[in-house]
Amino acid sequence: DAGVTQSPTHLIKTRGQHVTLRCSPISGHKSVSWYQQVLGQGPQFIFQYYEKEERGRGNFPDRFSARQFPNYSSELNVNALLLGDSALYLCASSRGQGILSGNTIYFGEGSWLTVV
Amino acid sequence: QQPVQSPQAVILREGEDAVINCSSSKALYSVHWYRQKHGEAPIFLMILLKGGEQKGHDKISASFNEKKQQSSLYLTASQLSYSGTYFCGTPDAGGTSYGKLTFGQGTILTVHP
Repeated sequence: DAGVTQSPTHLIKTRGQHVTLRCSPISGHKSVSWYQQVLGQGPQFIFQYYEKEERGRGNFPDRFSARQFPNYSSELNVNALLLGDSALYLCASSRGQGILSGNTIYFGEGSWLTVV
Repeated sequence: QQPVQSPQAVILREGEDAVINCSSSKALYSVHWYRQKHGEAPIFLMILLKGGEQKGHDKISASFNEKKQQSSLYLTASQLSYSGTYFCGTPDAGGTSYGKLTFGQGTILTVHP
């Protein structure tokens, strides 16, 4: 079975531009989460979507938005890009909604975003 | 609050053992361990659940001490492939924790021949 797939893998944008990152979860997984990973740090939670509804949001500005489609794929949008948005953006999928009971989260390869 | 990992880095020779610790200032419901190689995605290793259930990798073991709010990952007879950065992630204790893990700062493990 295919894992979590993300596109594009690498992209370079200019300050002030907009970017859209895409993610397809593992087949059968209904939950998609987005994380930002800056070099040398652990991933930081941005959003979770389950059954097309936002279920969790991290401490990120309103320039960051996301949505989930009927086929459970997802998009992350970032407006008015800043240099500090340069990072690896990871999409993760899981079968269920919550993780307190041990629902495993699987990560995709990520999209490397460089803002110049 | 971010869990704290120790040590920050460890260097081993093949066949040696290592222990990576993850401590939290808040109550833990579960601890999720991942390994990430440079330029790649974090790979799931193991979940440790409150109550003692453990799910994951058969060549790596871990412990979960709920009272001390900490977990340890044990890497025995290390192989070159074990090199990478190890992260522990913990869900929010208070809410329903909708797929949100808070990760530690990572432990860089390097295994030499």
